[in-house]
Amino acid sequence: QKEVEQNSGPLSVPEGAIASLNCTYSDRGSQSFFWYRQYSGKSPELIMSIYSNGDKEDGRFTAQLNKASQYVSLLIRDSQPSDSATYLCAVMKLTGGGNKLTFGTGTQLKVEL
Amino acid sequence: DTEVTQTPKHLVMGMTNKKSLKCEQHMGHRAMYWYKQKAKKPPELMFVYSYEKLSINESVPSRFSPECPNSSLLNLHLHALQPEDSALYLCASSKDEQGLGQPQHFGDGTRLSIL
Repeated sequence: QKEVEQNSGPLSVPEGAIASLNCTYSDRGSQSFFWYRQYSGKSPELIMSIYSNGDKEDGRFTAQLNKASQYVSLLIRDSQPSDSATYLCAVMKLTGGGNKLTFGTGTQLKVEL
Repeated sequence: DTEVTQTPKHLVMGMTNKKSLKCEQHMGHRAMYWYKQKAKKPPELMFVYSYEKLSINESVPSRFSPECPNSSLLNLHLHALQPEDSALYLCASSKDEQGLGQPQHFGDGTRLSIL
């Protein structure tokens, strides 16, 4: 079982629709959760961070965390073509040496005109 | 543009060369990281420095040698690399490696090609 799992996609949504990206993780000791956006050939860019159960909203983005189900999601409202990218779910846990961030394989999102 | 600066942006080297990748941040962050990312794969952690001390080495081959000269700088020294080491090398930093929940901010990366 992978530590962090995401559907690789591609997930195609029409412009203006809601895109829903999902992520599950295996280690119940995980403490912090992040979503990164990565355009092709570029580096990951932090979109959202979430630490406690529930929803966290920032502009068009909403992150949702359910620790009991070991599930994290990202909703993108009013999707734009510029949102087309790979979205990486990342999970942080404290190890003997310090905090370790583990990434899922990413979901490719395509927003179509 | 990011607040973590990596140089060079591109590097082509032979298997017998010695080169270094550089990373700099001026956000006052005390934790810095090296990641390796192959095409269509997620970033994989290589090293973590916390307060200028190496705290995590993810069993990286010794042909990769990290160095943290001060709290703003992180180097990755390369020697006798193999073609499979060709990848995007990402540097990241965060406020405090011991602080829970501190997000990591990435530089633009160095695209490395080994001939």
